[in-house]
Amino acid sequence: AQSVTQPDIHITVSEGASLELRCNYSYGATPYLFWYVQSPGQGLQLLLKYFSGDTLVQGIKGFEAEFKRSQSSFNLRKPSVHWSDAAEYFCAVGSPSNDYKLSFGAGTTVTVRA
Amino acid sequence: DAEITQSPRHKITETGRQVTLACHQTWNHNNMFWYRQDLGHGLRLIHYSYGVHDTNKGEVSDGYSVSRSNTEDLPLTLESAASSQTSVYFCASSAGLAGGQETQYFGPGTRLLVL
Repeated sequence: AQSVTQPDIHITVSEGASLELRCNYSYGATPYLFWYVQSPGQGLQLLLKYFSGDTLVQGIKGFEAEFKRSQSSFNLRKPSVHWSDAAEYFCAVGSPSNDYKLSFGAGTTVTVRA
Repeated sequence: DAEITQSPRHKITETGRQVTLACHQTWNHNNMFWYRQDLGHGLRLIHYSYGVHDTNKGEVSDGYSVSRSNTEDLPLTLESAASSQTSVYFCASSAGLAGGQETQYFGPGTRLLVL
């Protein structure tokens, strides 16, 4: 069965500093990988996804993520955070076996300080 | 614009009562999902549907039921609400055409408190 681990429950970062959120997955083959963001009181919005090709994926709001098969990781990065990036971030894994379900990590809450 | 809506946005109920949470999407998507979000657990799948009259159990389905009578709606029913079902509930949908790489689109959530 597929699973996702987000090791960091909470990260605090200064505005303008870089951000990296960790995601490790467990799956027998190359999975489909997603990052979603949840702003306070809102539903989840897709930031980016990876299913094949270039292992560095660009997303919305200036985010990028890199798939590293050797480390079973799909870490999310942003070079310079804005106060509006304060949110909860979820990594998710989907299956290439034509199943539409996603398994989500527990989430990482990002606080941005001025 | 296409969207996915949930109602009510907030609900307080008593233990033992039946509660139904509504989910409506105008994407014309085949797939619909219900998740619950709890601190430390992320999102956990309750039930899902891949088309009209199709329903399937997720990892935390006990005490919940769904029915899919049309493409647009997947109501979630708590048969007899328990305090352990206090949570935030999210509905999501996806096209159902391209397998596990599809994006799921989420509603705004329903915050349920069971007293």
